[in-house]
Amino acid sequence: SQQGEEDPQALSIQEGENATMNCSYKTSINNLQWYRQNSGRGLVHLILIRSNEREKHSGRLRVTLDTSKKSSSLLITASRAADTASYFCATSLQGGSEKLVFGKGMKLTVNP
Amino acid sequence: DAGITQSPRHKVTETGTPVTLRCHQTENHRYMYWYRQDPGHGLRLIHYSYGVKDTDKGEVSDGYSVSRSKTEDFLLTLESATSSQTSVYFCAIKKTRDRRADTQYFGPGTRLTVL
Repeated sequence: SQQGEEDPQALSIQEGENATMNCSYKTSINNLQWYRQNSGRGLVHLILIRSNEREKHSGRLRVTLDTSKKSSSLLITASRAADTASYFCATSLQGGSEKLVFGKGMKLTVNP
Repeated sequence: DAGITQSPRHKVTETGTPVTLRCHQTENHRYMYWYRQDPGHGLRLIHYSYGVKDTDKGEVSDGYSVSRSKTEDFLLTLESATSSQTSVYFCAIKKTRDRRADTQYFGPGTRLTVL
């Protein structure tokens, strides 16, 4: 069964705007990760947040984690056309960190 | 570049034929994974390996087998391909010696079509 669910499933914005994606999960985690996939390519890791962290930044990316609500959000600031891609959240479960469970993904389109 | 290659990159085959996909890594990492990606399902884990000859099942392992006789190669076999196995297959590794030890690095994918 799917552990993580991204919301919205698709988002279309203009260049320069901020994009926010949400991920909800079901069971306790060690960490939560966000990945990007450009069309026809493999996934690329963006950022990881551990269960004892609440917020993390990396360049234009900001990720938050609320373990009480079992949810995370990824904010991309000042979006660019090159940010157009699919984004996936993935959870590393407590007691089984050798595996990741991926959500279904969401499609971000940034219009120039 | 995570040093992961997949072969073939594209394959069309017929129902009932055996198919083997290969994942090759150049950095001798212990963990290797096979996923399939389908519209509406995201990535789902098929099998993974935590060392030579050490493998375990994932979420959607039925109809698939794997082998790992060398650290660098992880093979995925469809013994008798079915149309439901038409998908894009991704290999991934986990760099346990990396400080970001839980991060996975993905290969470019293999697009398999079963007619």
